[in-house]
Amino acid sequence: QKEVEQNSGPLSVPEGAIASLNCTYSDRVSQSFFWYRQYSGKSPELIMSIYSNGDKEDGRFTAQLNKASQYVSLLIRDSQPSDSATYLCAAWGGYTNAGKSTFGDGTTLTVKP
Amino acid sequence: GAVVSQHPSRVICKSGTSVKIECRSLDFQATTMFWYRQFPKQSLMLMATSNEGSKATYEQGVEKDKFLINHASLTLSTLTVTSAHPEDSSFYICSAIKVDSYNEQFFGPGTRLTVL
Repeated sequence: QKEVEQNSGPLSVPEGAIASLNCTYSDRVSQSFFWYRQYSGKSPELIMSIYSNGDKEDGRFTAQLNKASQYVSLLIRDSQPSDSATYLCAAWGGYTNAGKSTFGDGTTLTVKP
Repeated sequence: GAVVSQHPSRVICKSGTSVKIECRSLDFQATTMFWYRQFPKQSLMLMATSNEGSKATYEQGVEKDKFLINHASLTLSTLTVTSAHPEDSSFYICSAIKVDSYNEQFFGPGTRLTVL
């Protein structure tokens, strides 16, 4: 079992729709969770971080964390073609990833005009 | 702020030569820097964790004598690929964590290494 699992996709949504990206983690002690966006050929960029159970909103992005279910999600509202990228979920601070983040393999999102 | 730079952005070298890649945090001090490698269409692979003033911690399977890491200050870490071979051709990316932050990683733009 991978420490951080994501649906590999590809996930395709029409422009203006809500894109939903999911992530589960195995290390129950993990403390912090992050979503990064990576465009093809580029390095990742941080788009959201979440530390407490519940929702966190930033513009069109909402991150959701449920520690009991060991589940993290990212919702992108009003999806735009420029949102087409690979989204990486990361978990920090567990037994197996003390002092570093463990990344999922990413979910590729395509937003069709 | 939270800008991380890498230099060079692209390098082509001959087999057997050494290549040094610099990673700088431009507007913050970084307690920890990380070095990753990424092959085309594959996921990020952590190579090592670098803390200022101490030896780097390498991930299992990463040759520490081949990938030399020096974290000389709170704003600079370097990765030297020694005696590079074609199989070392990859996209090398560094990231940095701000002092007193919640462990958010800020990534550099990456260095594309091609070994001929």
